[in-house]
Amino acid sequence: DAKTTQPPSMDCAEGRAANLPCNHSTISGNEYVYWYRQIHSQGPQYIIHGLKNNETNEMASLIITEDRKSSTLILPHATLRDTAVYYCIVRSPYNQGGKLIFGQGTELSVKP
Amino acid sequence: GEEVAQTPKHLVRGEGQKAKLYCAPIKGHSYVFWYQQVLKNEFKFLISFQNENVFDETGMPKERFSAKCLPNSPCSLEIQATKLEDSAVYFCASSHSLILAGNDQGGELFFGEGSRLTVL
Repeated sequence: DAKTTQPPSMDCAEGRAANLPCNHSTISGNEYVYWYRQIHSQGPQYIIHGLKNNETNEMASLIITEDRKSSTLILPHATLRDTAVYYCIVRSPYNQGGKLIFGQGTELSVKP
Repeated sequence: GEEVAQTPKHLVRGEGQKAKLYCAPIKGHSYVFWYQQVLKNEFKFLISFQNENVFDETGMPKERFSAKCLPNSPCSLEIQATKLEDSAVYFCASSHSLILAGNDQGGELFFGEGSRLTVL
C-alpha cells in the first residue's frame, strides 16, 4: 500500500513555480522520498529523490520537512510540458524488494 | 542500450490467446521490474528480477502470468489465455542497483514507454 497522500489535482500558471505537496507521516528512518511523473501515457520519469536534506537538480527541488513527515516538490518555472501526473513515493531499498509503490498522484495542469 | 526498450508497443489479442511482451533493460542494469497500469494513476507491481533470478514476485497473479529474464536475451512477460481484464499498459523498468546512499544516483528506476495490450 502507498504510504503517501497527495492532492488529486492542481493547477499552475505557466512560468510560475509549481509546489506539489506530499504527506508521508509514517515514513521510517531508512526510507527515501522519490518523485516521478507520468506525462500523458508515457513511462514514468524519475525527477528527484532525497532522504533528509533538501535536494535540487536540473528538473526540480525537493524540500523535506525536518520531521520528514511531509515534502514539497518544486518546479521553479512550470511550462506546458510539465503537465503530468506527479507521484510522491516512499521507498526503502531494504524492504519490499526496493520496488516503487505508486499512489494516486497529483494531476498537475499547467495553463497558459 | 541507453534506454529501456519495450516491444511491441501495441498488441491485440482475442480472449484466450497468449500474449508475450518483451523488455530490454539498460545495459549494465541488474534489476528489472514489471508493472501493470490498467487505469490512469493506478500502477500495480507484478514482479522484479535481479539478473536472471526472480527477486520479488509478490504482485504476480498466481495463474496465467509468467516472466523470465534469461542471459543475453530481453526479459519477457507472458500471459497465457488472456482475459478482458488483462487489457492494460505493461511497463518495464530497470535499475542499476537498489542501494541508495545520499545522492547516489544508482538506485532510481528507469521506465520504458510501455506495451499496450488490448484483449478483445
